[in-house]
Amino acid sequence: SQQGEEDPQALSIQEGENATMNCSYKTSINNLQWYRQNSGRGLVHLILIRSNEREKHSGRLRVTLDTSKKSSSLLITASRAADTASYFCATDGMDSWGKLQFGAGTQVVVTP
Amino acid sequence: EAGVVQSPRYKIIEKKQPVAFWCNPISGHNTLYWYLQNLGQGPELLIRYENEEAVDDSQLPKDRFSAERLKGVDSTLKIQPAELGDSAVYLCASSQRSHEQFFGPGTRLTVL
Repeated sequence: SQQGEEDPQALSIQEGENATMNCSYKTSINNLQWYRQNSGRGLVHLILIRSNEREKHSGRLRVTLDTSKKSSSLLITASRAADTASYFCATDGMDSWGKLQFGAGTQVVVTP
Repeated sequence: EAGVVQSPRYKIIEKKQPVAFWCNPISGHNTLYWYLQNLGQGPELLIRYENEEAVDDSQLPKDRFSAERLKGVDSTLKIQPAELGDSAVYLCASSQRSHEQFFGPGTRLTVL
């Protein structure tokens, strides 16, 4: 079973535009993480936001967390063709420390 | 620093045959995970090790799947016998004290 659900399932944008994707989850969490997966490769950790944090930045990435709505968003600013990948949110639940539950992902295509 | 190493990268077998996957985590990482990823889905945890102890194997189909992590370093995941529905990508990940997980490139299994 998957805890998180990403929205949209797919996103197509042009270079320079911003990309926003959302994640909703069901149970209380310790933290929420975002990962990127390029085609045919393993996942790469992007950013972790703890349950007591509301916003976090890393380079061109901005993540928000709203625990009252059980949702998070990932914003990629000034997208590049190299940002083309699938993006997954993963939750670390309060009752299952260290066990990440992933959503189905958002497939992002950035065209030059 | 070397990342998580997995082998083989690809494996094609006929149903009812056995298959084994190998994982070498990042040096010093005590926690090792095996995930299964179906096409278009996020990874799902199969088993988690803390050193050589399996602390969460609730999602591992124990009738045909087995895993071991001798000496708390390398790990092997085995399927015997394989079924058509086992076709997927098998990912290995490792982590230290932080919640960030580092993933290997995965083994793509095709069962014919």
